[in-house]
Amino acid sequence: GAVVSQHPSRVICKSGTSVKIECRSLDFQATTMFWYRQFPKQSLMLMATSNEGSKATYEQGVEKDKFLINHASLTLSTLTVTSAHPEDSSFYICSARRGEVSNEQFFGPGTRLTVL
Amino acid sequence: GQNIDQPTEMTATEGAIVQINCTYQTSGFNGLFWYQQHAGEAPTFLSYNVLDGLEEKGRFSSFLSRSKGYSYLLLKELQMKDSASYLCAAMDSNYQLIWGAGTKLIIKP
Repeated sequence: GAVVSQHPSRVICKSGTSVKIECRSLDFQATTMFWYRQFPKQSLMLMATSNEGSKATYEQGVEKDKFLINHASLTLSTLTVTSAHPEDSSFYICSARRGEVSNEQFFGPGTRLTVL
Repeated sequence: GQNIDQPTEMTATEGAIVQINCTYQTSGFNGLFWYQQHAGEAPTFLSYNVLDGLEEKGRFSSFLSRSKGYSYLLLKELQMKDSASYLCAAMDSNYQLIWGAGTKLIIKP
């Protein structure tokens, strides 16, 4: 199978702090990883697409300086929420695509972020 | 623009059959995905269609008509654990997934 892990699964932080979320593909190389955000009772919203070794492509309306994405290797991408505020509280989910051009996309279990 | 439409909520009875419809408009097309998402969890893959027709996988089947921009997910012999949101997503020419808002399925005994 193709397994994607995320760490941490839950995080509670104070307003103004930064939080890093890791996304790892455990048994395959992910050339492309996606970061989604999901608010309660809403669908997934794509935040950014990251390719290994290059800068992430952010969707319109997503602040690059606030949501820092680093895809340093073929198995790891990180999302750092900088200077988090309560409105950033959400469910953050990563997914990984296997191969250069593939229709297979595997999701991590998600990270629940609560900013107090 | 790109758009996915699916009903917001559906209710069905345990043991029955339910069909969740999805219509899509995308720039190019590389397939239609259905995912199941339980509250508080990440989506899990159910099915993928890229050719017209019906794909059957156990109690779940998925249908695609590319000419109509239409798909449905068919769930048979409904169980209480099938209560979840069902997300329809179409893959565009850039291999990006365009997501629907999801259909919340409520199963009643």
